[in-house]
Amino acid sequence: KNQVEQSPQSLIILEGKNCTLQCNYTVSPFSNLRWYKQDTGRGPVSLTIMTFSENTKSNGRYTATLDADTKQSSLHITASQLSDSASYICVVSDRGSTLGRLYFGRGTQLTVWP
Amino acid sequence: EADIYQTPRYLVIGTGKKITLECSQTMGHDKMYWYQQDPGMELHLIHYSYGVNSTEKGDLSSESTVSRIRTEHFPLTLESARPSHTSQYLCASSESGQGSTDTQYFGPGTRLTVL
Repeated sequence: KNQVEQSPQSLIILEGKNCTLQCNYTVSPFSNLRWYKQDTGRGPVSLTIMTFSENTKSNGRYTATLDADTKQSSLHITASQLSDSASYICVVSDRGSTLGRLYFGRGTQLTVWP
Repeated sequence: EADIYQTPRYLVIGTGKKITLECSQTMGHDKMYWYQQDPGMELHLIHYSYGVNSTEKGDLSSESTVSRIRTEHFPLTLESARPSHTSQYLCASSESGQGSTDTQYFGPGTRLTVL
């Protein structure tokens, strides 16, 4: 069964600290993996997209890594800010159909305290 | 910021009412999607469209219906709302064609509460 599991479910850190969010998936065949940020009451916004051949990709203070062999990805946030408080969702695409079906994780709820 | 809009943002309605959730995008995207999301849970695809006059049901069974008469517009209708329909509904769109990353751009969502 194609699945996307994220950990931790929730995380609280102090402003200025770094953190790493994890994503494990069993989706096959694999096409790409995205990390989305979803603020409370808003729609998700894409942070990064990684294909099979990419190991790491950065977007400002966000750095995503991908190990396609172990089917694991991580999102590292550096020097966290209050505005980083949000749910971070890992999304994997399988391209097994013409739709390029997306499999969503449940997200990690990150709270940054001052 | 994505040019995709949803109205209303919040809706509280009684059981049995007919409702239409509006979604429009100005990016000229062919593909559009409707997702349902409950608090702390993953997004579930309920409808999608590849273009005008194309609509398909998604992975999660839904009593709602959709239409795609214009490229930019993808409304979702519930003929008779029930408390079990209480949820957040997210609309998204993506461009198609070679070279496209197929990244989906999401609207702000409609929070529906059926009493």
